[in-house]
Amino acid sequence: EIVLTQSPGTLSLSPGERATLSCRANQSVSSSYLAWYQQKPGQAPRLLIYGASSRATGIPDRFSGSGSGTDFTLTISRLEPEDFAVYHCQQHGSSPHTFGQGTKLEIK
Amino acid sequence: QVQLVQSGAEVKKPGASAKVSCKASGYSFTSYYIHWVRQAPGQGLEWMGIINCNSGSTSYAQKFQGRVTMTRDTSTSTVYMELSSLRSEDTAVYYCARGFPVFPGDFWGQGTLVTVSS
Repeated sequence: EIVLTQSPGTLSLSPGERATLSCRANQSVSSSYLAWYQQKPGQAPRLLIYGASSRATGIPDRFSGSGSGTDFTLTISRLEPEDFAVYHCQQHGSSPHTFGQGTKLEIK
Repeated sequence: QVQLVQSGAEVKKPGASAKVSCKASGYSFTSYYIHWVRQAPGQGLEWMGIINCNSGSTSYAQKFQGRVTMTRDTSTSTVYMELSSLRSEDTAVYYCARGFPVFPGDFWGQGTLVTVSS
């Protein structure tokens, strides 16, 4: 199965700053089937990005995804207070659809 | 609007089974699949499998093969996930999510906490 490793484990930034989150796979992700989710405490995950770079419905354009093969990035161009949460990546191209361990984005 | 409403929290003893339901509304139920994902306390997300809500065909993660059964009832637009031979490590919040085999969950249920304790 594909193993996804997210870095950093925790990212401390201030509102207005740019956030760059990484997700690396131990083998190539087919057709760039890589998704990103945001999860806040006590809530279900929210789909942000699918297919590595396509924004899900209703997601603000400050969220962008990039990458291919084994290296993927989620960028939040200018952090809003509501963006502080845990972010998960998931490969959705081959079974099992594995997740990374998550990156916690916290307020500095 | 698309909604997935899951059944309430359960407490089970080791060795028992848990059956979680996920009732869909606001879209064409048989046109989509449902993923099941779980999250142990303080841990990451774990994909368990997927069911075709039209045909009922399933694909399970190897880790859960033999212990998980996913079914659907098209008359009530409800999907069920049953996990058997429960152990303490199965204590988690279980989520259903709408999607396709190569498309991730775009709408999620609220989650169901299953606690396994003697």
